[in-house]
Amino acid sequence: EVQLVDSGGGLVQPGGSLRLSCSASGFTFSIYDMNWVRQAPGKGLEWVSFISSTSSATYYADSVKGRFSISRDNAKSSLYLQMNSLRAEDTAVYYCARAQSAAAIFDFWGQGTLVTVSS
Amino acid sequence: DIQMTQSPSSLSASVGDRVTITCQASQDISNYLNWYQRKPGKAPKLLIYAASNLETGVPSRFSGSGSGTDFTFTISSLQPEDIATYYCQHYENRPWTFGQGTKVEIK
Repeated sequence: EVQLVDSGGGLVQPGGSLRLSCSASGFTFSIYDMNWVRQAPGKGLEWVSFISSTSSATYYADSVKGRFSISRDNAKSSLYLQMNSLRAEDTAVYYCARAQSAAAIFDFWGQGTLVTVSS
Repeated sequence: DIQMTQSPSSLSASVGDRVTITCQASQDISNYLNWYQRKPGKAPKLLIYAASNLETGVPSRFSGSGSGTDFTFTISSLQPEDIATYYCQHYENRPWTFGQGTKVEIK
């Protein structure tokens, strides 16, 4: 059974940093592209970042470019999101999501981890 | 960026009703469109990919159609377990963007 377990969320002050993790099981993690998607309170879903299966390509939404960094450890079947210079508008539930084949079709999602940026 | 406009933002229907949600892209996205279901407190679930392909294990009462800029998502016979918010998402190019969601409730 495919499982994605998100963790690492919490309360952080504006300007602070946080590192999210996503632990994968039930499939061959190393052959799948992965993503982070977030949902702010009362808002819709927003794609945040992408990483290819071999880490050769990474992409970011303009709203987080230069502040967030996506990475993965295929030996540990884990995905990460390093978030720096956090702002109030980064407050959201963050989901890791597996991409089906070579397209941005998010076929499995984690349960999400809540990040709250507030003083 | 490609904007995805969903309508309605919410709807209320009776069990057994046919429910239709539309999604309009701000430019031609061919058939690069997915539909997701999100229930409160749960992870989003892929229902339809490439505009009209039913994801494995998804009940056949769910369907999708369209191409270019105009797309439709249909629940042929609404069931109580279908109460959720539904989102469209394009993947024609980055950034991949979602519609604002349609909340479906039982009347």
